[in-house]
Amino acid sequence: GNSVTQMEGPVTLSEEAFLTINCTYTATGYPSLFWYVQYPGEGLQLLLKATKADDKGSNKGFEATYRKETTSFHLEKGSVQVSDSAVYFCAYASGGSYIPTFGRGTSLIVHP
Amino acid sequence: DGGITQSPKYLFRKEGQNVTLSCEQNLNHDAMYWYRQDPGQGLRLIYYSQIVNDFQKGDIAEGYSVSREKKESFPLTVTSAQKNPTAFYLCASTPRGHREETQYFGPGTRLLVL
Repeated sequence: GNSVTQMEGPVTLSEEAFLTINCTYTATGYPSLFWYVQYPGEGLQLLLKATKADDKGSNKGFEATYRKETTSFHLEKGSVQVSDSAVYFCAYASGGSYIPTFGRGTSLIVHP
Repeated sequence: DGGITQSPKYLFRKEGQNVTLSCEQNLNHDAMYWYRQDPGQGLRLIYYSQIVNDFQKGDIAEGYSVSREKKESFPLTVTSAQKNPTAFYLCASTPRGHREETQYFGPGTRLLVL
């Protein structure tokens, strides 16, 4: 069936390090792809999204490119901050169902 | 400011008791959703509704019930049939229920069993 696979965490980095969180999906057609972020004790909020192949979503220094050929949507940031510590969820919504499928989340911990 | 509110923030349930979690939105969104979040398992869909007076079961609807009498409100009842209700519950909404739309989440309710 359709699914989203994210790298397992926690990912632990020092401030100003480069971040990559891998995300791959299995779905037919051309799904919309999302990254959501969840800070401790809060709900999720959209970080960025891309709705068609080769689109790049970006926000707050984070970027992800919709790669149809590798069915991937990896999240990157050039220089992380302590305030980026959170759980990051990759998700997709395919044409057959508008309900998104979420990955299990990747915890990011950034040390000063 | 528009948004989604959930109450209470923490809820305690006794054995055999039904409890209701509130979700209200003032975004004028048509579609609303309930998710359950357990550690390391991501989000699992409980129920969703695309229009008033209509709702559909999600992946883990057993032991839960919902109503959608008003566009703004989508309360979730955790019944005594739900044997393992301890979790973080998230309500969300989207404008119309299309695949490219962003989901807007409330702050969540943490349910604990006494």
